[in-house]
Amino acid sequence: QVQLQQSGPGLVKPSQTLSLTCAISGDSVSSNSATWDWIRQSPSRGLEWLGRTYFRSKWYNDYAVSVKGRITINPDTSKNQFSLQLTSVTPEDTAIYFCARTWGGFMNYWGQGTLVTVSS
Amino acid sequence: QSVLTQPPSASGAPGQRVTISCSGSSSNIGSDTVNWYQQLPGTAPKLLIYTNDQRPSGVPDRFSGSKSGTSASLAISGLQSEDEADYYCASWDGALNGWLFGGGTKVTVL
Repeated sequence: QVQLQQSGPGLVKPSQTLSLTCAISGDSVSSNSATWDWIRQSPSRGLEWLGRTYFRSKWYNDYAVSVKGRITINPDTSKNQFSLQLTSVTPEDTAIYFCARTWGGFMNYWGQGTLVTVSS
Repeated sequence: QSVLTQPPSASGAPGQRVTISCSGSSSNIGSDTVNWYQQLPGTAPKLLIYTNDQRPSGVPDRFSGSKSGTSASLAISGLQSEDEADYYCASWDGALNGWLFGGGTKVTVL
């Protein structure tokens, strides 16, 4: 059974960097079959896919246009986890952030969600 | 504004059938599969239907999915009180190179 455990601060100041981590158990971040995704949810934007990292002989990343230039998703093979960094945050980035595993074309495992508030 | 369009709400009495639509375009639903997620308050979305019409183990057969062209539908038959939740469709968009979600449909059991 795959489990995803999220961690990170719930409050970030405007213009600073949002950082979250998703620890994986029951699978490997280096899996050749899965992608590891970040999604956020807010009342104004609904569910919004942010990006993913995955390994297919080498590491790849894809990012949503809405956050490209501000987002980095990195795998950490030594800890079997992956992380999200979102720079220059504004109150518009206030949301519940989820990590998820995509396998076979669907997200079948999700983290518990982390409410991140951007406020001074 | 979501690129996949869902009605904001749907409702039905216990035992009735409710259908939720999800409308997309040729770059997403028209060329890839559709998944459906159920989200209960305060929890993460849960996979309900994958690859248009497949149910994961443990999902009751009251839930069914279908796809035609650039649209998809989720049907809940024999509506039960525990089906009150938000439902989201999702599909990969090849033009955007990313996942798209619908705006969500809140199902109320009357």
